[in-house]
Amino acid sequence: ETGVTQTPRHLVMGMTNKKSLKCEQHLGHNAMYWYKQSAKKPLELMFVYNFKEQTENNSVPSRFSPECPNSSHLFLHLHTLQPEDSALYLCASSQLAGSAGDTQYFGPGTRLTVL
Amino acid sequence: AQKVTQAQTEISVVEKEDVTLDCVYETRDTTYYLFWYKQPPSGELVFLIRRNSFDEQNEISGRYSWNFQKSTSSFNFTITASQVVDSAVYFCALSEGVSNFGNEKLTFGTGTRLTIIP
Repeated sequence: ETGVTQTPRHLVMGMTNKKSLKCEQHLGHNAMYWYKQSAKKPLELMFVYNFKEQTENNSVPSRFSPECPNSSHLFLHLHTLQPEDSALYLCASSQLAGSAGDTQYFGPGTRLTVL
Repeated sequence: AQKVTQAQTEISVVEKEDVTLDCVYETRDTTYYLFWYKQPPSGELVFLIRRNSFDEQNEISGRYSWNFQKSTSSFNFTITASQVVDSAVYFCALSEGVSNFGNEKLTFGTGTRLTIIP
């Protein structure tokens, strides 16, 4: 595997379900990110992790719970979601934690549908 | 606050035509970085280019070229001799130069959907 991978690619869940999204980067980077992409809206940054430590939570509801066990893996745990949470969830990584202008590399995303 | 505007929501051109995607940005920093990403139907954002504010040289990579003009705060992207595989949503993004550790914020435009008609 190369680059940034995400699983699953598609997920359909009910509002009472609990599920997790997984992201893995094979680039040796130190920073990882979760973004939400909704139809006709700009990409929204959700969380940032540097060296496994969360450094940004962009006012994300608590029904989204990130986990970063190491610099290569990032999870997004989902519970009691709402239909408006349906979106494409993108994971990204970058090399230089704390460095402005650092290029972020993205995974293919998980297309989430909440019924 | 930083802002990126991509005024063109959708563009359609016939294959082999040239097409330019516009990007206008706002920032108070003198040091900043500009990016272009391509998002094909598969969903993944593919990195195309990164440019810092001190390098105003235009860049060419194959059929792709970028025109950075600080005087008009624009960073436009031109595809020459377009191909069907160029069909995608293209995003322009801005990152300001003052880094607060851990906060490498990329501000994205709303994207331009480009359709190349065979």
